[in-house]
Amino acid sequence: EPEVTQTPSHQVTQMGQEVILRCVPISNHLYFYWYRQILGQKVEFLVSFYNNEISEKSEIFDDQFSVERPDGSNFTLKIRSTKLEDSAMYFCASRSSSTDTQYFGPGTRLTVL
Amino acid sequence: AQKITQTQPGMFVQEKEAVTLDCTYDTSDQSYGLFWYKQPSSGEMIFLIYQGSYDEQNATEGRYSLNFQKARKSANLVISASQLGDSAMYFCAMREGMNSGGYQKVTFGTGTKLQVIP
Repeated sequence: EPEVTQTPSHQVTQMGQEVILRCVPISNHLYFYWYRQILGQKVEFLVSFYNNEISEKSEIFDDQFSVERPDGSNFTLKIRSTKLEDSAMYFCASRSSSTDTQYFGPGTRLTVL
Repeated sequence: AQKITQTQPGMFVQEKEAVTLDCTYDTSDQSYGLFWYKQPSSGEMIFLIYQGSYDEQNATEGRYSLNFQKARKSANLVISASQLGDSAMYFCAMREGMNSGGYQKVTFGTGTKLQVIP
């Protein structure tokens, strides 16, 4: 069964460094999302992406964040200058046009030291 | 106001028994959808079940069923015949509205931690 994949599973970085989190959505899906979950808290929407542009973003998704679909398969989230409070699990999700269901990847745990 | 409210931070259930996890929601949209996701201790987010606001029948997927009461704005998850592997965090979530780009985000509740006792 097709699934969303994410790499790396765990990323440790120093404060102020740039990180890129990678996702490969399910191949025929057209809608892509990033969410984050700070440890012990609820899942929060960051950004949605459709037709090669951002559809909606939350107040969390400030100028330090960017998303890109560099080719036909990858979908990336970049954090330009990481802060301690960016430490969280980051989930990528994708959805086809024929269903409402978003399918989530396994997540990348980002630890900022 | 919270869009998704899960009032049970933790629940216990005996193995083989049924359990209901509560979820209420708040929206003014006519078109919306409700999801339940399971998050085991390993961290991944597993889709369980979906109910659209216009669906007349309650959704069912194997041992999972969604008790959808539109007038009360509730979408409770019922797990029948609980198994030890059902021990996990369960999140209720909602998508609202549609535009030319489809709906854009899902809003999650705070979750209920379910523990199945042998």
